[in-house]
Amino acid sequence: DGGITQSPKYLFRKEGQNVTLSCEQNLNHDAMYWYRQDPGQGLRLIYYSQIVNDFQKGDIAEGYSVSREKKESFPLTVTSAQKNPTAFYLCASSRRDTVSGANVLTFGAGSRLTVL
Amino acid sequence: KQEVTQIPAALSVPEGENLVLNCSFTDSAIYNLQWFRQDPGKGLTSLLLIQSSQREQTSGRLNASLDKSSGRSTLYIAASQPGDSATYLCAGETSGSRLTFGEGTQLTVNP
Repeated sequence: DGGITQSPKYLFRKEGQNVTLSCEQNLNHDAMYWYRQDPGQGLRLIYYSQIVNDFQKGDIAEGYSVSREKKESFPLTVTSAQKNPTAFYLCASSRRDTVSGANVLTFGAGSRLTVL
Repeated sequence: KQEVTQIPAALSVPEGENLVLNCSFTDSAIYNLQWFRQDPGKGLTSLLLIQSSQREQTSGRLNASLDKSSGRSTLYIAASQPGDSATYLCAGETSGSRLTFGEGTQLTVNP
């Protein structure tokens, strides 16, 4: 089955440590995204990539880094510079619907990061 | 900058009731408006997508409408069931293929 796999599902980190969240998709989508979700809030865009070897900052990119070396993979690194990293992180990929032109997103199951 | 607001933040209803969730957006130049469902601790599942040229979309017991002039969208759920309990988020797509999400409405349907 095609889909998006995020790992790990749960991750605990000590302050000052960098951690990397994995996101892999087999949907053959060109675009991929990372969102952060805090309790009672909507999704906020961290980084997105519309093509391999290219990515752009979203609304809250500070303290995060990404790479896009392969079409299928878009890992997110939460660095020690991120002041409040405890959150639920969602990865998505998208295709452009050929009829409507809409950007149709598919989401992974999410990774919950807790800083101890 | 697009801003999306959802009201109410939480809603609790008895099983069988018809209900309406509201979504407001500030930039009427949206390409489309999408509704998603999120179960606790899970990712988002797409429910309905309304293109800017459309006024509504239907899928089963769900009906979503879009009024660009007033900056509003509604999600109507008919004959609600306990399995409908989840958080519902709306998102507007604007230029650059970016979606702006609302905060969500947490729905509880009581048996």
